[in-house]
Amino acid sequence: AQSVTQLGSHVSVSEGALVLLRCNYSSSVPPYLFWYVQYPNQGLQLLLKYTSAATLVKGINGFEAEFKKSETSFHLTKPSAHMSDAAEYFCALLSGGYNKLIFGAGTRLAVHP
Amino acid sequence: NAGVMQNPRHLVRRRGQEARLRCSPMKGHSHVYWYRQLPEEGLKFMVYLQKENIIDESGMPKERFSAEFPKEGPSILRIQQVVRGDSAAYFCASSSETGSSGNTIYFGEGSWLTVV
Repeated sequence: AQSVTQLGSHVSVSEGALVLLRCNYSSSVPPYLFWYVQYPNQGLQLLLKYTSAATLVKGINGFEAEFKKSETSFHLTKPSAHMSDAAEYFCALLSGGYNKLIFGAGTRLAVHP
Repeated sequence: NAGVMQNPRHLVRRRGQEARLRCSPMKGHSHVYWYRQLPEEGLKFMVYLQKENIIDESGMPKERFSAEFPKEGPSILRIQQVVRGDSAAYFCASSSETGSSGNTIYFGEGSWLTVV
């Protein structure tokens, strides 16, 4: 069965520090993977996606993620956190014959001065 | 180009009433998905529809929930005889094709249902 696991439901970093949000997946077929961000009481915004091209994927707002097949991981990083990055981040896997997303439980990122 | 439009954004219903949530996909998109987000949880897939067809409803509760995407007009998620456990955020999403090749699925702003 396909699944997504996000390690750490809450992550707190200082402004300017490295952001690392972890995502591991389980899939019997080559995966398509996504990171979405959700601000309070809003919908999901796509940050970036991996579709079997380059393993290092660059997204919006300075975020990037690296697909590592050997580790079944797709961790999200940003070199320097901004206060505006505080939000909930979801890793997702495309499944079901490509007709649905399987989401991780989410990681809430807090950025403090 | 307007995004995925959902309404109402917030809905309050008493137990036993019906809730109707509407979703207009992005222009040019013919694939619609509904997801539910319970408090402090991630999103869970409910149903995938194309025009006039339900393609995958594996995530829909067996009773009280139904969805449609008519030839004309928005997609509707209908919850009959709501209970407190139905309180959640319901997100609609759309895409131009299926997810093959990683076509992006775009999400709406969500409809927050509160059952009192």
